[in-house]
Amino acid sequence: EVQVVESGGGLVQPGGSLRLSCGASGFTFKNYAMSWVRQAPGKGLEWVSTISGTGGSTVSADSVMGRFTISRDNSKNTVYLHMNIMRAEDTAIYYCAKSYSMAMFGGELDYWGQGTLVTVSS
Amino acid sequence: DIQMTQSPSSLSASVGDRVTIICRTSQTISSYLNWYQLKPGKAPKLLISTAFSLQSGVPSRFSGGGSGTDFTLTISSLQPEDFATYFCQQSYRTPYTFGQGTKLEIK
Repeated sequence: EVQVVESGGGLVQPGGSLRLSCGASGFTFKNYAMSWVRQAPGKGLEWVSTISGTGGSTVSADSVMGRFTISRDNSKNTVYLHMNIMRAEDTAIYYCAKSYSMAMFGGELDYWGQGTLVTVSS
Repeated sequence: DIQMTQSPSSLSASVGDRVTIICRTSQTISSYLNWYQLKPGKAPKLLISTAFSLQSGVPSRFSGGGSGTDFTLTISSLQPEDFATYFCQQSYRTPYTFGQGTKLEIK
């Protein structure tokens, strides 16, 4: 059974940093791209970042470019989202999701976690 | 970026009704259109990928269609567990963009 579980959310001050983790199991982790998607309160879904299966390639939304970094450790079946210079508008539930296909940046997301809440406030 | 226009934003319907949600894209995306179901406190669920491919375990009352710039999600006979929020998403190119969502409520 595929499982995806996020952790690391919490309250952070504007300008601060936070690292989210996402543990996965039930599939050959290194073969699939992984993504982060967020949902701000009362808003829709926003794609944040995707990392290839090997970890050698990443792509991110303009809204987080230069502030957020996605990475992965295939020995631990874990993907991370390092968030720096955080802003109030980064407040959201952050979801981690697995790509359906083995494409480098497969955008169809077939397994998601339940999300972790990040609040940016003083 | 590819803009997504999803309609309606909300929909009130009864158990047993047939409903259709529309998603239009600002440029052609072939069939790279996916549909997700969201319920509060639960993991989002992929229902349909590449416009019409039903995911394993998803009931056959869900169906998808369209190509190019116009796509639909149809639920043929609403069940109580279908009342949720639905999002379309294009996976043609990054940034992967989502529609604004359709909240399906019980009438």
